[in-house]
Amino acid sequence: EPEVTQTPSHQVTQMGQEVILRCVPISNHLYFYWYRQILGQKVEFLVSFYNNEISEKSEIFDDQFSVERPDGSNFTLKIRSTKLEDSAMYFCASSERETPGYEQYFGPGTRLTVT
Amino acid sequence: DAKTTQPPSMDCAEGRAANLPCNHSTISGNEYVYWYRQIHSQGPQYIIHGLKNNETNEMASLIITEDRKSSTLILPHATLRDTAVYYCIVRVALGGGGNKLTFGTGTQLKVEL
Repeated sequence: EPEVTQTPSHQVTQMGQEVILRCVPISNHLYFYWYRQILGQKVEFLVSFYNNEISEKSEIFDDQFSVERPDGSNFTLKIRSTKLEDSAMYFCASSERETPGYEQYFGPGTRLTVT
Repeated sequence: DAKTTQPPSMDCAEGRAANLPCNHSTISGNEYVYWYRQIHSQGPQYIIHGLKNNETNEMASLIITEDRKSSTLILPHATLRDTAVYYCIVRVALGGGGNKLTFGTGTQLKVEL
């Protein structure tokens, strides 16, 4: 069964450094998402991406964040200058379409630790 | 999107049916009810969704009340591997490029021997 993959599984970085989290969505999917989950808290929506542009973003997704689909398979989340509060699990998701019946499939997540 | 209310935790004996309730009293006519689950910090996993009719798939059944103000997810024969946080999410199927999921705190289901 096709699945969303994410690399790395765990990333440790120092405050102020840039990080890039990588995702390979399911191949025929057209809609891509990033969510995050701070330890012990809810899963929070960050951004959705379709047709090579952001379709929606949350208040969390400020100028420090960016997303890109650099080629036909990868979908990346960049945090320009990490803060301690960026420490979280980051989940990538994808869906074939946005309508019911075409659900979002989530990857296993990248645990980001900012020290 | 409509707000949902779920009990914070439930226990279930292995092999028995697990019935997880969800209240969504402010749901509007074009909003669907979705259920996802998250097993121990893994990525959320889609289970089932419905609009107004009851639905069943290989994982679960979804019972939606006639007034659509509440629903119940049923795992017919719960196993230890069903121990997870279960999220009831109400959302509109919009057009225009994507459809975010808004997660609440969910119900922690613990399946025990």
